[in-house]
Amino acid sequence: KQEVTQIPAALSVPEGENLVLNCSFTDSAIYNLQWFRQDPGKGLTSLLLIQSSQREQTSGRLNASLDKSSGRSTLYIAASQPGDSATYLCAVGGRTETSYDKVIFGPGTSLSVIP
Amino acid sequence: GAVVSQHPSWVICKSGTSVKIECRSLDFQATTMFWYRQFPKQSLMLMATSNEGSKATYEQGVEKDKFLINHASLTLSTLTVTSAHPEDSSFYICSARPFTTYEQYFGPGTRLTVT
Repeated sequence: KQEVTQIPAALSVPEGENLVLNCSFTDSAIYNLQWFRQDPGKGLTSLLLIQSSQREQTSGRLNASLDKSSGRSTLYIAASQPGDSATYLCAVGGRTETSYDKVIFGPGTSLSVIP
Repeated sequence: GAVVSQHPSWVICKSGTSVKIECRSLDFQATTMFWYRQFPKQSLMLMATSNEGSKATYEQGVEKDKFLINHASLTLSTLTVTSAHPEDSSFYICSARPFTTYEQYFGPGTRLTVT
């Protein structure tokens, strides 16, 4: 059974710092891994999607890496800004015994960037 | 492209009544649609998977008689919360998967409050 964990659960940093969010998963047989952002009371904003055959994806100040063999992904945020404050969710897509495909979400990392 | 809408975005209903939430893929046909639930300060949990024209597959612990899912077309799935109770108050998010990819595209969510 796929399990997704995220470390740290919460993070508070001063503006301008570079930071790394971590995601781990137990079953390496995945289709893809996706990072989302969620603002309080809002829906999901997709940040980056990494296919199982890829090692990393970049979008602006964000860079996500994927190491399937070790079951890890990192989201790197460069030069953090107060507007980056949100909860970041890691989601792993794969196949299970009972479902053709399924996305399992991690518990999230709550990020606060202090001006 | 790949836009998913949900209606309504928020709803308040009285205990004992039923509420229907719609999920539409606006610019693609969805082989499969998924329904997730998110309680306050928790991550998203998959409730059920629905394939067009067939019965939904529910996750363990989700009451299929309480959460009725209909996937009548390749662009529309509905979730009906029957005999709603205050503990059903939650944020419900759907996602849709096109024929050609394992990537899921998420709707903006529906906030349900049962009084």
